[in-house]
Amino acid sequence: AQKITQTQPGMFVQEKEAVTLDCTYDTSDPSYGLFWYKQPSSGEMIFLIYQGSYDQQNATEGRYSLNFQKARKSANLVISASQLGDSAMYFCAMREVRSGTASKLTFGTGTRLQVTL
Amino acid sequence: DAGITQSPRHKVTETGTPVTLRCHQTENHRYMYWYRQDPGHGLRLIHYSYGVKDTDKGEVSDGYSVSRSKTEDFLLTLESATSSQTSVYFCAISRGGESNQPQHFGDGTRLSIL
Repeated sequence: AQKITQTQPGMFVQEKEAVTLDCTYDTSDPSYGLFWYKQPSSGEMIFLIYQGSYDQQNATEGRYSLNFQKARKSANLVISASQLGDSAMYFCAMREVRSGTASKLTFGTGTRLQVTL
Repeated sequence: DAGITQSPRHKVTETGTPVTLRCHQTENHRYMYWYRQDPGHGLRLIHYSYGVKDTDKGEVSDGYSVSRSKTEDFLLTLESATSSQTSVYFCAISRGGESNQPQHFGDGTRLSIL
């Protein structure tokens, strides 16, 4: 079964508008972390935001916020006031705790966001 | 920027040849990872290391081996490259293995096996 599901292969948003990128996850581990990464066309992977499974509040980092709904197992990324430079591939990822080993990062297949004028 | 350098950045080689990719970090982080990125699959973990000489397999480890003789270097080897190993390879590092630790990525190596 997919551990991380991103159902939107591509999204368009107009400049200055807000956009939500969906992410659902599956885990039986009570302790986990959820991450979003941005991959622009130049190819590098840029860490954007983190949400812990025990965090009571939604994470925010500048124009990025994470809409965390634990019961629904969703961790949607919200980008406010979109800019042309936000055009990129966005990946949701989860890190579970496994005793005795490094907790590994599992990625979704990504959503390509295109910001238009 | 996290101090992660991958080399080479691009490589073209032939089926059956050995290939070694290098990841070098200046952050003194304990954990290092190798991923491959293919269309439709996102990033998939190949191998990872949780210390010098401590390594373990990821979800797509067949055909790959790794070594870590120093904290700063993590090598990925394709013993006999196949066309299915054509991909973009990313190295990542993290300070710790806890679930709240983000991984920071190198710029990737584009590998083509002809």
